[in-house]
Amino acid sequence: QSALTQPASVSGSPGQSITISCTGTSSNVGGFNYVSWYQQHPGRAPKLMIYNVDNRPSGVSNRFSGSKSGNTASLTISGLQAEDEAHFYCCSYTTSATLVFGGGTKLTVL
Amino acid sequence: QLQLQESGPGLVMPSETLSLTCIVSGVSISSTSYYWGWIRQPPGKGLEWIGTIYYSGSTYYNPTLKSRVTISVGTSKNQFSLKLNSVTAADTAVYFCARRYSSNFSFDLWGQGTLVTVSS
Repeated sequence: QSALTQPASVSGSPGQSITISCTGTSSNVGGFNYVSWYQQHPGRAPKLMIYNVDNRPSGVSNRFSGSKSGNTASLTISGLQAEDEAHFYCCSYTTSATLVFGGGTKLTVL
Repeated sequence: QLQLQESGPGLVMPSETLSLTCIVSGVSISSTSYYWGWIRQPPGKGLEWIGTIYYSGSTYYNPTLKSRVTISVGTSKNQFSLKLNSVTAADTAVYFCARRYSSNFSFDLWGQGTLVTVSS
C-alpha cells in the first residue's frame, strides 16, 4: 500500500500558524473519518496529537487542530512555539482494514 | 504504571526470524477497549504500520509484510509478540509496540521502541 502524501518540510516563526497536509485517496483518507496525527521528537516515540480527524486527546494543547476535505486531511498548529519543532505523521484507516502512514513532515520553528 | 516495553535481540542475522515481545503494564491486554499493534521506523525514515491484534486473536497485517509476519497474544502473560521471518537489511528499524482504541484507529500509548539491526 502506498504511503499518504505529506510535504517533506514546513517552517514558521514563533507565534505564527502553519498547516501540514496529508493527501490520500477515497480508499483511505477520503473514505473514513479515521485520520490521526502524531508528533515525534528525535529519538522519542511518536505522540498522538489528533484522532478521528479533529479530536484532541486529553492533555494535547488546543493550539493543535485537525480537519479534512475530500481526500486531504490537515493539521494546523497555531501560536507556534519552539517546542513544536518535530516530525509529524498522519495515519489513516483503509478499505482493506489496514492502516497507512504518511511519509512525514519536518516542522522547523525559525 | 501504564506502559509498554519492547524486548528482544538487537541483532538478527539475514534470512533469520526477528522476534520481539511487548510487555504491557497497567492495563489488561484482554480489555475489550483496545487493540495492540506493531509499527517500525527504519533509521532516518518514516513510520510503517506492521500489524494489529485483538485479545481474541484477530489479526490485521500490512499487505506488503503479510507473508512474513505473525503477531500473537501471550497465553499466560500480559504481552503480545511479533515475528518477522526471512529478514534482510531492509528490515533494520526501530520497532515500536503500541495500544490502539477499539473505537477508533489511533495509537494512544507507545513503547519507547527498540532498534533491531539485520546484519551478519
